[in-house]
Amino acid sequence: KAGVTQTPRYLIKTRGQQVTLSCSPISGHRSVSWYQQTPGQGLQFLFEYFSETQRNKGNFPGRFSGRQFSNSRSEMNVSTLELGDSALYLCASGSLDRDNEQFFGPGTRLTVL
Amino acid sequence: QQPVQSPQAVILREGEDAVINCSSSKALYSVHWYRQKHGEAPVFLMILLKGGEQKGHEKISASFNEKKQQSSLYLTASQLSYSGTYFCGIVAYSGNTPLVFGKGTRLSVIA
Repeated sequence: KAGVTQTPRYLIKTRGQQVTLSCSPISGHRSVSWYQQTPGQGLQFLFEYFSETQRNKGNFPGRFSGRQFSNSRSEMNVSTLELGDSALYLCASGSLDRDNEQFFGPGTRLTVL
Repeated sequence: QQPVQSPQAVILREGEDAVINCSSSKALYSVHWYRQKHGEAPVFLMILLKGGEQKGHEKISASFNEKKQQSSLYLTASQLSYSGTYFCGIVAYSGNTPLVFGKGTRLSVIA
């Protein structure tokens, strides 16, 4: 079974631009969550989707948005990029809900210059 | 609300034991433990559910004190391969809440 895939793996943008990151969950998984990882801050929760519905949203500004498609693939978008948005963005997929093992993708390393 | 992990970092020699603690200000439904090695994605270790059920795959144990809203991860007879950052994640017992992780505990095992 293929694992969680994220594209692109690396991205360099400049302030003010926008970016879209993609996550393909493990086949059959309907739950996708997104996390931002920066040194010293751990994994900061961004969004959680289940069957195309956003179930939860973390404490991030409105510049961060996401969606999930009918095939469970998910995208997140960050508009008007700021230097502080530089981070590793991880997505995780699960078979049912949050009380089961979550499988993380390799992440997208975003650098904002 | 992000759970609090302690210690922030620990250095062990091979064969030594370690305990990593995770505490929450909210009542917990489940606690999840993951390990992330440098440059890699976090990998599942175990889940502890309210009511005592524990699900895990590795020879690392954990406890879940529902009353104290705490969990502890026990690594015994540590091996070099145990090095990495350990994250606890919590699901609060307050309805539809997400899996929220702490800031992590960096564990280094040296020979």
